[in-house]
Amino acid sequence: GDSVTQMEGPVTLSEEAFLTINCTYTATGYPSLFWYVQYPGEGLQLLLKATKADDKGSNKGFEATYRKETTSFHLEKGSVQVSDSAVYFCALALGSGGSYIPTFGRGTSLIVHP
Amino acid sequence: EPEVTQTPSHQVTQMGQEVILRCVPISNHLYFYWYRQILGQKVEFLVSFYNNEISEKSEIFDDQFSVERPDGSNFTLKIRSTKLEDSAMYFCASSPRQGAYEQYFGPGTRLTVT
Repeated sequence: GDSVTQMEGPVTLSEEAFLTINCTYTATGYPSLFWYVQYPGEGLQLLLKATKADDKGSNKGFEATYRKETTSFHLEKGSVQVSDSAVYFCALALGSGGSYIPTFGRGTSLIVHP
Repeated sequence: EPEVTQTPSHQVTQMGQEVILRCVPISNHLYFYWYRQILGQKVEFLVSFYNNEISEKSEIFDDQFSVERPDGSNFTLKIRSTKLEDSAMYFCASSPRQGAYEQYFGPGTRLTVT
């Protein structure tokens, strides 16, 4: 079945460091890919998405590129802030004709120190 | 900004007891969902609900589970006879349209079964 694998955390960085959180997927069709973020005490929020190969999703300085050849959707940010400390979830969903229900990874906790 | 709310934030119950988790979706949304995340594992889809009936459910959503929209604002998940393995974080989500990227998540209810 469809699945998402993301790197285990926690990822601990100093402020202004470069962030990469790896995500790879397995899917039978052509999924849309997503990154969600969960800040402490809050619900999951959609951070960015990409709906087809080579699309780049970006938001709040984060970006991820849909790489069909490597079945990956790695999350990157050039300079993290303490306020980026959260849990990040990679997910996929099959779009039109599919169920629209996202399949999530386990989440990766990011801790950013001042 | 409108948000999905969930109560309680933490519920402790004894094995075999019935528990009801409550959610208030965003008011003009039409699609409602429950997910769960067992500690350290993936966020898993349980059920989706539209037009006062279940539209999709996973294998996890067996006869012990039920959902209801008892009035115009609440959306509940009932577990009839809780087991230890039901201990998890339960997330409610709602969306105005059928689309994975359209879902807004609540902060979750942590259920602990002892």
